[in-house]
Amino acid sequence: DAGVTQSPTHLIKTRGQHVTLRCSPISGHKSVSWYQQVLGQGPQFIFQYYEKEERGRGNFPDRFSARQFPNYSSELNVNALLLGDSALYLCASSGSGAWVNEQFFGPGTRLTVL
Amino acid sequence: AQKVTQAQTEISVVEKEDVTLDCVYETRDTTYYLFWYKQPPSGELVFLIRRNSFDEQNEISGRYSWNFQKSTSSFNFTITASQVVDSAVYFCALSDFDTGTASKLTFGTGTRLQVTL
Repeated sequence: DAGVTQSPTHLIKTRGQHVTLRCSPISGHKSVSWYQQVLGQGPQFIFQYYEKEERGRGNFPDRFSARQFPNYSSELNVNALLLGDSALYLCASSGSGAWVNEQFFGPGTRLTVL
Repeated sequence: AQKVTQAQTEISVVEKEDVTLDCVYETRDTTYYLFWYKQPPSGELVFLIRRNSFDEQNEISGRYSWNFQKSTSSFNFTITASQVVDSAVYFCALSDFDTGTASKLTFGTGTRLQVTL
């Protein structure tokens, strides 16, 4: 089975632009979470979606938004990009039952804002 | 609020040495999960272990072992006979205990392990 996939792999934007990052969870997983990892730091929680509903939101401004589609894939949108948004954006999916709290991460999208 | 502290920023060892990565956590919850993830240079976070707060039994998996001490709020990770392939950043993380779906992970700042020949 394929793992968590994310696209694009790398992205370069300029300040003020908008960006959309995409994530496809492991087949059968209904929960998707997004994390931001700034260089040299641990990942910070941004959003969690479960069954297409927002289940949690981290301490990020309203410029950050997300959604989950009927096929459980997800998009993270960031508006009015700032230099400080440069980071590795990680998507994680989790299943149900015994695996409910094990989150499996994708390779990430590295966003550079110039 | 939950917090995870990994006081060791960087550790360098010579291959075949044993190394222990420290993790101390804070939470008001009585039940929770603890995790360790490995992040190689490629950037992908690789899941290593999940531990329930009500199970204090230590665990061994090959060269890896984990020591969970609820009394000191610590969840340390030991690599025995380290290898160059173990070089990576290791993250300790904490989450709520939720039987419905995964809860958000609170990560530490990571420990960079460098294993040289």
